[in-house]
Amino acid sequence: NAGVMQNPRHLVRRRGQEARLRCSPMKGHSHVYWYRQLPEEGLKFMVYLQKENIIDESGMPKERFSAEFPKEGPSILRIQQVVRGDSAAYFCASSPQAQGGNTIYFGEGSWLTVV
Amino acid sequence: KNEVEQSPQNLTAQEGEFITINCSYSVGISALHWLQQHPGGGIVSLFMLSSGKKKHGRLIATINIQEKHSSLHITASHPRDSAVYICAVRSSFGNEKLTFGTGTRLTIIP
Repeated sequence: NAGVMQNPRHLVRRRGQEARLRCSPMKGHSHVYWYRQLPEEGLKFMVYLQKENIIDESGMPKERFSAEFPKEGPSILRIQQVVRGDSAAYFCASSPQAQGGNTIYFGEGSWLTVV
Repeated sequence: KNEVEQSPQNLTAQEGEFITINCSYSVGISALHWLQQHPGGGIVSLFMLSSGKKKHGRLIATINIQEKHSSLHITASHPRDSAVYICAVRSSFGNEKLTFGTGTRLTIIP
């Protein structure tokens, strides 16, 4: 049973380009969470999605960032017109249902560098 | 003041020493997670606690809900335990997001 799969592991983008980060949750998991880890800072919640629904996006910047989790395929975190401050590690996590009494499984992360 | 505070921020110890990392939080929670992150690496969930104590191998995690405090202990520490250990809490207000401490960087010297 494969774990949470994220790709790409490392991504370099020039300022103004778009970055797309993908996350395939563990098999049987329908809840996906995205977190961001800025250099030398702790992890911060970004968005919580279930299949085809955004449940909580209170941690997402208001502009340039969007997330989706379609019926088929991976969850996508999209950053438009990237800036240097977007350079960070982006972690995806999944759980079989609302976390509640369930543990959460993290992916290996996607490291975005904006040059 | 952060909702989740960890101490110490950095810890260096000799191989074999008993390690304790502390986490204090200021909100009501439904669960607390201890996570491990190796440099440049992914995040592994070590424990999820809502009460009491859990043990897995050389790792022990405890939580005191009344005192809003949790500890992670490592017995017979080994250089491969060197990593950042992160405490994260899930609020009892029903939302699903985790709030994280800033982590404790542990280095075990052979």
